[in-house]
Amino acid sequence: SQKIEQNSEALNIQEGKTATLTCNYTNYSPAYLQWYRQDPGRGPVFLLLIRENEKEKRKERLKVTFDTTLKQSLFHITASQPADSATYLCALASGTYKYIFGTGTRLKVLA
Amino acid sequence: NAGVTQTPKFQVLKTGQSMTLQCAQDMNHNSMYWYRQDPGMGLRLIYYSASEGTTDKGEVPNGYNVSRLNKREFSLRLESAAPSQTSVYFCASRTSGVFTDTQYFGPGTRLTVL
Repeated sequence: SQKIEQNSEALNIQEGKTATLTCNYTNYSPAYLQWYRQDPGRGPVFLLLIRENEKEKRKERLKVTFDTTLKQSLFHITASQPADSATYLCALASGTYKYIFGTGTRLKVLA
Repeated sequence: NAGVTQTPKFQVLKTGQSMTLQCAQDMNHNSMYWYRQDPGMGLRLIYYSASEGTTDKGEVPNGYNVSRLNKREFSLRLESAAPSQTSVYFCASRTSGVFTDTQYFGPGTRLTVL
């Protein structure tokens, strides 16, 4: 069955450093992959989408890579700030309308 | 422009009781979704509606029913609540095009079934 894996352990990094989060998937070849941010007690918020023919995508301090050979996406936050502390979810489109979400990685940026 | 709204925000039910979770969006999106989120399980799709008048099962539909009342509203009903349905429920609407595919989530409903 299709599966997405994100590091379930929390990631703690120092302010100003680059945070790197990993999303691995199996048994699927998605046309694109999405990243969402979720704050405690709130719904997820869309951040970025990267297509299978795009190796890298950037938005301000965010960068996403997509390696279809490794079946992996990396999500980077450069010059991280305490306000970046949240849980980050990756999601794959499974067919035209369905999505599969990872369990998310909790990031904590220490001041 | 409120985006996606959900009611209620919190609910406590006893086993066997029924209730309907309401969801509305004001972005004129065709597709709408219901997810549940449990610790360590991530978001799991319960039902979705690709367009007004259509609904389809997701990954975990058992124990739930849905109604796409019109383009704006998509409700989720628990006919006979069970403790296993204790969860946080999120509604989402989706916009998609050539260069984009984005889901907009509501604030969630925290449901406890005793």
